[in-house]
Order: sequence, then structure tokens, then C-alpha cells
Amino acid sequence: EPEVTQTPSHQVTQMGQEVILRCVPISNHLYFYWYRQILGQKVEFLVSFYNNEISEKSEIFDDQFSVERPDGSNFTLKIRSTKLEDSAMYFCASSPGGGLYGYTFGSGTRLTVV
Amino acid sequence: SQQGEEDPQALSIQEGENATMNCSYKTSINNLQWYRQNSGRGLVHLILIRSNEREKHSGRLRVTLDTSKKSSSLLITASRAADTASYFCATASGGSNYKLTFGKGTLLTVNP
Repeated sequence: EPEVTQTPSHQVTQMGQEVILRCVPISNHLYFYWYRQILGQKVEFLVSFYNNEISEKSEIFDDQFSVERPDGSNFTLKIRSTKLEDSAMYFCASSPGGGLYGYTFGSGTRLTVV
Repeated sequence: SQQGEEDPQALSIQEGENATMNCSYKTSINNLQWYRQNSGRGLVHLILIRSNEREKHSGRLRVTLDTSKKSSSLLITASRAADTASYFCATASGGSNYKLTFGKGTLLTVNP
């Protein structure tokens, strides 16, 4: 069964450092997403990406965040200057047709900012 | 506004019993989906029900949708210890890509 792959599985970084979280979505999917989940809380939408551009972003997705699909297979989330409150699980997801179909999620990257 | 609020927040049952989780939402939707999350893992898509459907089955799962009450329920029959997980409802509505908005989830514990 096709999978969404995320790396690394766990990242520890110092406050103020830049981090890049990587994802390889399912190859024939067209919509890509980043969500985050702070420990014990709900899964929050960050950003959606379609046709090589951001189609929607949440209030959480401020200027510190950016996404890229640099080579047609990888989909990355960059946080420029991490804060303690950025500590969370970050999930990448892809879908063949947006929310009209189920999403396939990766296993997540646990980001710990110290 | 909050979308996809599940209840109960936690549910503990014995193996073999049925588990019912509910979800309420506030805005009109295109579809509603249920996901399972094992501790520390990613979310796994279980079932999708469209706004013009009232009931859907998949194996031991039964989902209902009442758009007039803006609510859905997920029934897991003959539960197993392996069903222990958090269950989230997610609504797809609006926007150019009908992004999913998740609720807070129900933590289901199935005791052997």
C-alpha cells in the first residue's frame, strides 16, 4: 500500500534555530498538507498545497513557516526561527482530490524545541 | 468556530462490546471522515461519509450522519484490544480544496 514518508521521526533543536521537516507524499496525489498536534491536543491545520502553490493556510502558519516542493517528490516544511511553542508532532498528508477523499498521513515528525 | 467536536472524550469498554463515539459540527460540510490514531503514530483514514449519505458500513465500522442535527456517530462492533486508539472525526467544508478540520478526539480503551 502506498505510504507518505516523513523524516526525521524525531528532531530536537535549539530555540531560534531553523528546522526543515521532510515528506514524500504519494506519487499520484495532487494535494499536500501539513498539520500539527501539540501533545494531547487536537490536530491543527497548518497549510495546504496544490498546483505548486499554497492554496490555504491557517493563522498558525505565519511568516516563520514556509513550504516547498523542490523536486516534484519531496514536500518540505521549514520553520525559520523555532520557538518553544513550536514543539509538537508535525504530520504531512496527501490526497488525490483534497478533502473530497480521505487523506493519507505520514507517521509524523516529533519536533522538540529546547 | 469549533468543527468536529467528539464525545465522549474517553471511553473504556471490555473486549467484545460495542463502542459508540459521537461527533458534532457547526458549519455545512461536503463530507465527514473518521480517523484512528494509535499512540504517537499518524492518523489512519477509516471511513468517509458524504453529506447526501445517512449511513455507511465498513467491516466492523458503522457511521451515521445527520446533517439536520450536524452530528455523526461511529460504531465499532465486537471491539478488540487492538481497537484501542484515539478516534477523530474530521469535516471537509469550504475552500478550494475542502481541507479537513479535526475534532479533539475520543480515546477508546478496549480492555481484554
